[in-house]
Amino acid sequence: QKEVEQDPGPLSVPEGAIVSLNCTYSNSAFQYFMWYRQYSRKGPELLMYTYSSGNKEDGRFTAQVDKSSKYISLFIRDSQPSDSATYLCAMSVSGGYNKLIFGAGTRLAVHP
Amino acid sequence: DAEITQSPRHKITETGRQVTLACHQTWNHNNMFWYRQDLGHGLRLIHYSYGVHDTNKGEVSDGYSVSRSNTEDLPLTLESAASSQTSVYFCASSRSGYEQYFGPGTRLTVT
Repeated sequence: QKEVEQDPGPLSVPEGAIVSLNCTYSNSAFQYFMWYRQYSRKGPELLMYTYSSGNKEDGRFTAQVDKSSKYISLFIRDSQPSDSATYLCAMSVSGGYNKLIFGAGTRLAVHP
Repeated sequence: DAEITQSPRHKITETGRQVTLACHQTWNHNNMFWYRQDLGHGLRLIHYSYGVHDTNKGEVSDGYSVSRSNTEDLPLTLESAASSQTSVYFCASSRSGYEQYFGPGTRLTVT
């Protein structure tokens, strides 16, 4: 079993929809949770970063962490065609010296 | 502007050949990482370095090596390329914390 599980999709939604992307994990020591966005044939870039449990909002994006369920989510409101990309969750233990464990990535397509 | 670059962007090589992929960053970051990305597996850590002359094995290090002689560069060497090493390779760097900056990737095909 992988440490981090993520449904690869693809997920196809109409413009304006609310998108929910999720990851589950097995290592209870993970404290840092990130979402990276990767456009086709590009390197990933950090989108959201959360420490421990709770919510974090940045514009149309909200990241949620539920450590009791070992479950994290990324919500995208009012999705746009420019949001079409692969979204990778990533996690790290406290003091893990920046070593990240990535999910497989979910491919999202937002169509006009 | 500071950046991270990788070269070559595309490479085709034959089984058994030695291949070196270059990674160069101008942020003066201490931490550098090499990942491979394959369908269904996401990004998997190959090797990483926390500073000059420091190197560490990651999750999938067999068949790969790195050396760090300065802050800016972390070349990745495939000692004897195998078809299983056909993949997209990403280099990343970070100063501290958990934000990693990724390069544009190198697409390697081993025939």
